[in-house]
Amino acid sequence: QQPVQSPQAVILREGEDAVINCSSSKALYSVHWYRQKHGEAPVFLMILLKGGEQKGHEKISASFNEKKQQSSLYLTASQLSYSGTYFCGTERDSGNTPLVFGKGTRLSVIA
Amino acid sequence: DAGVIQSPRHEVTEMGQEVTLRCKPISGHNSLFWYRQTMMRGLELLIYFNNNVPIDDSGMPEDRFSAKMPNASFSTLKIQPSEPRDSAVYFCASSFVTGTGINYEQYFGPGTRLTVT
Repeated sequence: QQPVQSPQAVILREGEDAVINCSSSKALYSVHWYRQKHGEAPVFLMILLKGGEQKGHEKISASFNEKKQQSSLYLTASQLSYSGTYFCGTERDSGNTPLVFGKGTRLSVIA
Repeated sequence: DAGVIQSPRHEVTEMGQEVTLRCKPISGHNSLFWYRQTMMRGLELLIYFNNNVPIDDSGMPEDRFSAKMPNASFSTLKIQPSEPRDSAVYFCASSFVTGTGINYEQYFGPGTRLTVT
């Protein structure tokens, strides 16, 4: 039931774009995205509810395709501060179930 | 606001000893979550409370683990006896839940790094 994230790791140069995917084998009600910098706690980025909406946070946006049971996180014109591990957490379509987090995607942005 | 507070930040103990981790959620939040993070398994939910009541403890590994929330401002996670495989970072997170759902923005504490030798 753990969602699968891809890629596992990615290295970018400043200004480049990246896409992180999160796929589930179960129907989903919502997808949550968090970022964790090394040695720190995860920090909330955004929640997407089923309905295919897209949200944005600074130059980071995400989409949720409930039919495909997947979400994608888009990082545009990456900055050094974007480095960290990105986690998706998924809530099953039955609702009121705790989030299950993927194993994360490690993003490194270099100058 | 001080955010979620956890103590201790680091704990090193010997196998067989009892370990107690503590968490103070953000004032006004009504849900509290305990997670364990390892390289192998990622971020796993152990248990969560809503209005101080344990709702789902299916993630608790075994009887050696127990959690309590005696009031809205304090929770503990106890491991007795501890084993080397319990070594991990343990996070506490809190959230303010309204309506019928349970999943809202979670605020994580700094974590407790536990090492069991």
